[in-house]
Formats: sequence, C-alpha cells, structure tokens
Amino acid sequence: QKEVEQNSGPLSVPEGAIASLNCTYSDRVSQSFFWYRQYSGKSPELIMSIYSNGDKEDGRFTAQLNKASQYVSLLIRDSQPSDSATYLCAVRRSGYNKLIFGAGTRLAVHP
Amino acid sequence: SAVISQKPSRDICQRGTSLTIQCQVDSQVTMMFWYRQQPGQSLTLIATANQGSEATYESGFVIDKFPISRPNLTFSTLTVSNMSPEDSSIYLCSVEKGAGQGFSEQYFGPGTRLTVT
Repeated sequence: QKEVEQNSGPLSVPEGAIASLNCTYSDRVSQSFFWYRQYSGKSPELIMSIYSNGDKEDGRFTAQLNKASQYVSLLIRDSQPSDSATYLCAVRRSGYNKLIFGAGTRLAVHP
Repeated sequence: SAVISQKPSRDICQRGTSLTIQCQVDSQVTMMFWYRQQPGQSLTLIATANQGSEATYESGFVIDKFPISRPNLTFSTLTVSNMSPEDSSIYLCSVEKGAGQGFSEQYFGPGTRLTVT
C-alpha cells in the first residue's frame, strides 16, 4: 500500500463545475496535509494546507480533512480552464519535516 | 511564502561529468530540501539540508553521488556526480517556512531540468 494515494486521472470537468480531488494516506500519525498545483513544465505551487479535521476555504478552493477516515480532499468551485494542471497531495507525519507526495491527479477543465 | 531561485534552469550534460545546482532563497530558513522529479513521476526527496550540519539522505541516495552544501541560511547546492542518462530529471529545492501555530509549509524553487546524454 502506498503511503499517499491519489487517482491519477485525468479528471475531466466542464468549465464552471466543481472539481473534486481525493487523497488517502496510510500513516495515522500524519499531522499536516497539503495540496500543490503543478502546471506542465513548472514546479509545484502550494495552494492549500490543512491541519485539523473539517473544511478550510480559500477563494474557490476548499480542503477537507477527515483523520478518522485518513482522507483529504480538494474541491475547486467554478472550475476554469486555467485550473487544468496536476494536483499533488502531500502529507507530513508528526515529528518529521519530510513530506510524502502522492502521484498526483491530472485535472482537465474543458470549455 | 518564499522567493526561491535556482541555477541553472536547465542543462544538457555528458555522461561521466558532474553538475552543481544552486538554490538561493530571499530569507533565512533553517530547513532546505532537495527533490528529484523524473518524467511523468511525482516528487522524491533526495536529502534534507540544515545549515551547520551534514545533510540527511533518503534511502537510495548517497552523499558520494549527490553531495550537498549548506554554507548559510539562504543558500544550498546539490551536485549530481558522475552522471548517467538515468539522472535525467528535474531537480527541485524547497524551503520550509513557519505557518503559525507550530505548523510549517514547504515552498519550491523553479527547478533545474537536467538532461544527460
């Protein structure tokens, strides 16, 4: 079992729809959770971090964390073609600095 | 966040040679990290570099192949030694910044695209 699992996609959504990206992790002592966006040929860009159960909203983005289910998700409302990218989920264990990355989900938003 | 620069942005090198990648950040940071991202793959941590101490390498990565320097709190270098085509990859540095309430976040530099022929 991979430490951080994501569906590789591609996830295809129409412009204006809600894109839902999911991530599960195996280590129960994981403490911090991150979503990075990576455009083709570019480096990862941090878009959301979440540390406690529940929802965290930032503009069109909402991160959701459920530690009991070991599940973290990212919702993108009013999806735009410019949101088309690979979204990487990353997890950090308690007491460690190291991030464990999932393989990423490719999102395609079509007009 | 942090403003991070890397040099070179890309390079094409011959096998058997070495390349040193520089990473500069606009503010002092304790933790710097070096990652590799092979084509179509996710990120793999090579090593963690703290100023004033030896770098800590992940399983599968050794100091002789990837020597790292961390001379101060804003700069680090990664050398890819005795390169082979399998070293063709994007090399990324990242830094850790405090996010408040005891938490921290990592920010990435623009990356160095290395091709070994």
